[in-house]
Amino acid sequence: QQQVKQSPQSLIVQKGGIPIINCAYENTAFDYFPWYQQFPGKGPALLIAIRPDVSEKKEGRFTISFNKSAKQFSLHIMDSQPGDSATYFCAASMNYGGSQGNLIFGKGTKLSVKP
Amino acid sequence: DGGITQSPKYLFRKEGQNVTLSCEQNLNHDAMYWYRQDPGQGLRLIYYSQIVNDFQKGDIAEGYSVSREKKESFPLTVTSAQKNPTAFYLCASKRQGITSAEAFFGQGTRLTVV
Repeated sequence: QQQVKQSPQSLIVQKGGIPIINCAYENTAFDYFPWYQQFPGKGPALLIAIRPDVSEKKEGRFTISFNKSAKQFSLHIMDSQPGDSATYFCAASMNYGGSQGNLIFGKGTKLSVKP
Repeated sequence: DGGITQSPKYLFRKEGQNVTLSCEQNLNHDAMYWYRQDPGQGLRLIYYSQIVNDFQKGDIAEGYSVSREKKESFPLTVTSAQKNPTAFYLCASKRQGITSAEAFFGQGTRLTVV
């Protein structure tokens, strides 16, 4: 119930393509869903986040789509660039209990954007 | 510049040795976390602390220990009881009590057993 399942494990697209990374969860108590971007040898950094009261959030070329009934959310990267090549993690957290605010991470997707 | 600093960047441990990884933050965050990252495994929570002098076990606490004597510092000790310690270790901090608060990560420490 505490898991966040992420797919695919790796993804290769051409420059300008639209990679899509999917995540699914079981625990309906989760109420915050961030995506983190990690470059090799670095710590992850927050990319974009969404709460379950909205179905879509857009920031620049990055869009999160959220389907509350299906308990799924996804990251879309428009007009992808080689500089977007990184590992992407979805995550979820809840606002109560002893683990309040703790992030549960998916296993990550390694994205490679070819020139 | 506010941020979270991990040291050292690379660490080598001999069999049977304890080693301590440093994590310091100047963001005035109450909550601090230690994650372990292995290829294909994502980020797994080792320990977390929501307030000074208190900490909780995460999903993979066996073979690790922590302390939280100061708000700014949350060191992680990898003990000889950890049978497979080679991994990339990440420390993070965030504001406590706000679910949507951003978690800030350090640059990580890569630990290798030699």
